[in-house]
Amino acid sequence: QQQVKQSPQSLIVQKGGIPIINCAYENTAFDYFPWYQQFPGKGPALLIAIRPDVSEKKEGRFTISFNKSAKQFSLHIMDSQPGDSATYFCAASINAGNMLTFGGGTRLMVKP
Amino acid sequence: KAGVTQTPRYLIKTRGQQVTLSCSPISGHRSVSWYQQTPGQGLQFLFEYFSETQRNKGNFPGRFSGRQFSNSRSEMNVSTLELGDSALYLCASSLGTGRNTIYFGEGSWLTVV
Repeated sequence: QQQVKQSPQSLIVQKGGIPIINCAYENTAFDYFPWYQQFPGKGPALLIAIRPDVSEKKEGRFTISFNKSAKQFSLHIMDSQPGDSATYFCAASINAGNMLTFGGGTRLMVKP
Repeated sequence: KAGVTQTPRYLIKTRGQQVTLSCSPISGHRSVSWYQQTPGQGLQFLFEYFSETQRNKGNFPGRFSGRQFSNSRSEMNVSTLELGDSALYLCASSLGTGRNTIYFGEGSWLTVV
């Protein structure tokens, strides 16, 4: 049973565009929502994370928007660059523990 | 500071064999988690160890097991390998107390033939 649903599965944008990746969760006990970036041959690396008491968080060009009532959260990448081409995973955990439930991933391609 | 180190990086095993994968966490980290990544099932949590004790367990059969040593290094073992066990196995470490960042290693690629 997939508890975190991620869309789209793949996304192509032009350089400078703003790709948006969406996630929806079912378990209301989740209280920590990180986003990971994974390049081919590498392990996932934490990009940014949010907790449900905050509706938006920005770190550099990455922004998470969080809608607790809709049980949805999304990642926006401002001024996207070809170097941002990677697979992005949303995740969720309870009590910010180490048992992460991941979304299915979004393969992003940023064209020059 | 060295990251999470996993060995071996690549290995090929035959159906029915068993395999042991090793993980050295970041220095000072006491929590080690293991994940399986496949194209079909994505990233799935296997188990977490903290101070040599299994703290959480995912929904995997008993063929998948792990342990953690007093120096926080961890191993996972898969017995009676099946073709479907072919995957990237990722180890992640964190301080394990409170809300800490989880750092992933580069993984061990297992192919079962």
